[in-house]
Amino acid sequence: GAGVSQTPSNKVTEKGKYVELRCDPISGHTALYWYRQSLGQGPEFLIYFQGTGAADDSGLPNDRFFAVRPEGSVSTLKIQRTERGDSAVYLCASSLGDGGYTFGSGTRLTVV
Amino acid sequence: AQSVTQLDSQVPVFEEAPVELRCNYSSSVSVYLFWYVQYPNQGLQLLLKYLSGSTLVKGINGFEAEFNKSQTSFHLRKPSVHISDTAEYFCAVSGQDDYKLSFGAGTTVTVRA
Repeated sequence: GAGVSQTPSNKVTEKGKYVELRCDPISGHTALYWYRQSLGQGPEFLIYFQGTGAADDSGLPNDRFFAVRPEGSVSTLKIQRTERGDSAVYLCASSLGDGGYTFGSGTRLTVV
Repeated sequence: AQSVTQLDSQVPVFEEAPVELRCNYSSSVSVYLFWYVQYPNQGLQLLLKYLSGSTLVKGINGFEAEFNKSQTSFHLRKPSVHISDTAEYFCAVSGQDDYKLSFGAGTTVTVRA
């Protein structure tokens, strides 16, 4: 597609529930990144994919967070047993690996 | 690891006045530097980036930034702002061998008529 697409744009879930956030990167972009932006802060790195594999998952806060990219294109960020502190905007970006990133509009997750 | 400090959390400015947003970074390796803009309820849009070469970088919408290695700074400037420049601005850094971005906390620019 022309840009990075993230769905849903908004997600409200109850504490303890499981959620999946989807990212559809720009066609041909081999690198894909997930970031989390809490209110009033800059985005924080979560995980980086090069192709199908997670090259760096050092930013995932704990084992409730997991992400996959099975075919090297679409990625899904999965959060188990959600907590109110998980509420944030989750941003996805893709890149050709040349220092240029394109960000999606994000998914605003609210845990109530 | 890299880190970024944006020295101003909020910058109010009048329309057609100049603006400067300050950014300092810390890194033990050579870096790439970026400025992004985020309009309300939208994603991040790249304004400009420094990868190598000339230290004065020109970006979109009339913005420019200067890389100063000795002062570890990458300040963003615009000579004359418009109402439409009202937004959140983020400075970011990555190592040249590591494309993971580290962002500052952001600077909110509010342009008033």
